[in-house]
Amino acid sequence: QKEVEQNSGPLSVPEGAIASLNCTYSDRGSQSFFWYRQYSGKSPELIMFIYSNGDKEDGRFTAQLNKASQYVSLLIRDSQPSDSATYLCAVDGSNYKLTFGKGTLLTVNP
Amino acid sequence: ETGVTQTPRHLVMGMTNKKSLKCEQHLGHNAMYWYKQSAKKPLELMFVYNFKEQTENNSVPSRFSPECPNSSHLFLHLHTLQPEDSALYLCASSQQQGEGEKLFFGSGTQLSVL
Repeated sequence: QKEVEQNSGPLSVPEGAIASLNCTYSDRGSQSFFWYRQYSGKSPELIMFIYSNGDKEDGRFTAQLNKASQYVSLLIRDSQPSDSATYLCAVDGSNYKLTFGKGTLLTVNP
Repeated sequence: ETGVTQTPRHLVMGMTNKKSLKCEQHLGHNAMYWYKQSAKKPLELMFVYNFKEQTENNSVPSRFSPECPNSSHLFLHLHTLQPEDSALYLCASSQQQGEGEKLFFGSGTQLSVL
């Protein structure tokens, strides 16, 4: 059973701080890793993807991947109240099948 | 119309009803998916279609019946559902490129089974 684990939160940070969201996965053969953001009552939206070990930056978002530790994280710099949402980690499997974590609820306080 | 559109947004049905969910993607993608999202649970993949051929059926009960007439349209036919089937049903599409699936989701159908 392939698993993706995330802390459910809520993770609460003040406006302007760095939010750090973490995810571990069980399938060592996984090659692609995704972060989706889901606002309350809305559908998930892809915000970051990473394929190689190391860091990938896009604006205020940085995805970090460590395949040896089976760990992927998402950092949000200068957090804004509009970043308040549930963040879903997803890991690829075979046959175009993603495994999702339960998500971490992030609250950014003004 | 852009992106992935789903109808209806909300659906209430009795256990003896038959209803269908509709999804249409305007992105030129070749793969379409049905996901189920329940409270406190991860997104669950139900079905995958690639070039309108079903490539995945994730042990879904037969009371859920998918149909994919072409690469742009996807249906989920529902009959004799159970109250535990109440959930958000999400359609998604992607352009399968062999480097991980970037999914684009529709707005979902919130289903309540009474």
